Amino acid sequence: GQQVMQIPQYQHVQEGEDFTTYCNSSTTLSNIQWYKQRPGGHPVFLIQLVKSGEVKKQKRLTFQFGEAKKNSSLHITATQTTDVGTYFCAGPWGGSNYKLTFGKGTLLTVNP
Amino acid sequence: DGGITQSPKYLFRKEGQNVTLSCEQNLNHDAMYWYRQDPGQGLRLIYYSQIVNDFQKGDIAEGYSVSREKKESFPLTVTSAQKNPTAFYLCASSIAEGGEQFFGPGTRLTVL
Repeated sequence: GQQVMQIPQYQHVQEGEDFTTYCNSSTTLSNIQWYKQRPGGHPVFLIQLVKSGEVKKQKRLTFQFGEAKKNSSLHITATQTTDVGTYFCAGPWGGSNYKLTFGKGTLLTVNP
Repeated sequence: DGGITQSPKYLFRKEGQNVTLSCEQNLNHDAMYWYRQDPGQGLRLIYYSQIVNDFQKGDIAEGYSVSREKKESFPLTVTSAQKNPTAFYLCASSIAEGGEQFFGPGTRLTVL
């Protein structure tokens, strides 16, 4: 079955440093979604990427979808303490867009 | 105030007992999902429902059952056949196939 791998598993940064998490799929994806889960909270949708090579920005967050549609990245510029949480990527598999396979996530902690 | 509600937030049960977790949404979404999250892990799909009176198994359906008699409600029963039921359970919904998923606050189930 499809696997979605995320690296790194953990990342600790000083406030103001940049952060990047990478997501790799064993199969080509029709789209990829990113979610953020604060400690003790539930996942919240951040963005969906659909097109090959797509780049989208949300303030300090930059999302990329690879040309082969098998990898993606999330980059945060100048991290803030509010960025703390686990970032998950997720992609559909099994021929159904309803079934999302989530990566294990990258836990970001920020030292003020 | 639209959203997804899950109750209770914390649930304790004795081993061998069945337990039903509630999930209600007033977003008028057709699709609903149940995920299981274990510490340090991503989300794993248990069951999903594309429409009322229809549901499909996800990756880890063994030991679980669901029903979808109403559009707003998608309860999950954790049966005694589930070998490791202690986990954080998240319910989600989406307006359409492949769309953004909205998550409820989750139920943390502990089986003693």
